[in-house]
Amino acid sequence: EAGVTQSPTHLIKTRGQQATLRCSPISGHTSVYWYQQALGLGLQFLLWYDEGEERNRGNFPPRFSGRQFPNYSSELNVNALELEDSALYLCASSLVPDRDEQFFGPGTRLTVL
Amino acid sequence: KQEVTQIPAALSVPEGENLVLNCSFTDSAIYNLQWFRQDPGKGLTSLLLIQSSQREQTSGRLNASLDKSSGRSTLYIAASQPGDSATYLCAVTYSGAGSYQLTFGKGTKLSVIP
Repeated sequence: EAGVTQSPTHLIKTRGQQATLRCSPISGHTSVYWYQQALGLGLQFLLWYDEGEERNRGNFPPRFSGRQFPNYSSELNVNALELEDSALYLCASSLVPDRDEQFFGPGTRLTVL
Repeated sequence: KQEVTQIPAALSVPEGENLVLNCSFTDSAIYNLQWFRQDPGKGLTSLLLIQSSQREQTSGRLNASLDKSSGRSTLYIAASQPGDSATYLCAVTYSGAGSYQLTFGKGTKLSVIP
């Protein structure tokens, strides 16, 4: 069974540009979570999607947004990129949110120059 | 504020030793606790999930315990090997807010010396 997949593996952008990151959950999982892992800051929760709806977001500005498609894959968009957005972005999926473990993808390394 | 703390931040042990990693959390109202392993620049590998009603979980050389009342969990690694070298992360799903994201500690970086 395939795990969580993310694309691209690496992404290099300049300040002010937009970045789009993609995630495919494990087959059958309807919940998708996005996390940011910036150097020295640890893993921070960004967004949670379930059944096509945004259910919760972390303490990030509105230029971080996303969506979940009917096949439960998800995309994270970051507008007006800033240098401090450089980080590893991790996607996770789960089956039943309050019971089952979250499985993580390999991440997308975003570098903003 | 709901937080997760991991001590120590780094640990170095000789191969073959048994070791314990510690995790504490500020609020006992949790759904579950998960331990992960992260290799440099990589994603997270789930090691063990403990539901709030459970006291421990075991997988191979790993044993995780949960004491919800005191807000503590430990990850015990038996007979450590150089391949166990990685950062170990503890994460909690807090209940009550209607959301199920993980709150992470900053991790313990483990080095197992051959």
